[in-house]
Amino acid sequence: QSALTQPASVSGSPGQSITISCTGTSSDVGGYNYVSWYQQHPGKAPKLMIYDVTKRPSEVSNRFSGSKSGNTASLTISGLQAEDEADYYCSSYTSSTTLVFGGGTKLTVL
Amino acid sequence: EVQLVESGGGLVQPGGSLRLSCAASEFIFSNYAMSWVRQAPGRGLEWVSTISGSGGSTYYADSVKGRFTISRDNSKNTLNLQMNSLRAEDTAVYYCAKSIIGYFRGFDIWGQGTTVTVSS
Repeated sequence: QSALTQPASVSGSPGQSITISCTGTSSDVGGYNYVSWYQQHPGKAPKLMIYDVTKRPSEVSNRFSGSKSGNTASLTISGLQAEDEADYYCSSYTSSTTLVFGGGTKLTVL
Repeated sequence: EVQLVESGGGLVQPGGSLRLSCAASEFIFSNYAMSWVRQAPGRGLEWVSTISGSGGSTYYADSVKGRFTISRDNSKNTLNLQMNSLRAEDTAVYYCAKSIIGYFRGFDIWGQGTTVTVSS
């Protein structure tokens, strides 16, 4: 199972919005509404930000939102803040009854 | 506080074995699927294995199938990962994680990780 494709890096200024893409195939992202997104700060465990493509755990800020079109899922962060600077990973359920992660995207807040 | 605490990591020679454990607290452990996810130094996340709440169903990444065995003891609120025939490429921080719902829909609680180093 090949990793999902994410941009290596994205950047934005405080207050702006950014979008991170996550591209898979019809056997994973495109075939199921089971895409999740994680935020990871250096040396820390990942934190769930989005699950089931669009759902947000109660403790996660509503500045984070998810969507999907075809084989590509996206994470949008609005009102960018300094503490959003981190690595972000997407993951998807697959037709092989496994889970696949994306390669990760480093978000820099300028 | 809902918490997962991993243990059992360490240095092991190629071909050796190691058993990781993850102690869960403050949630009904048997109600949730549990997983192991690893992260090699400087690399991204890699799913390793998932087990159902009852322990009756298990799933593995191709990279570990036949070498690793996931199990759980619901009476002790403990998740385990038996790792055999270890290779250098198994070197990573290993996290245990709780499913928010279902098996693969998202992991809402993570442990702090335990480090496994495979080297001679």
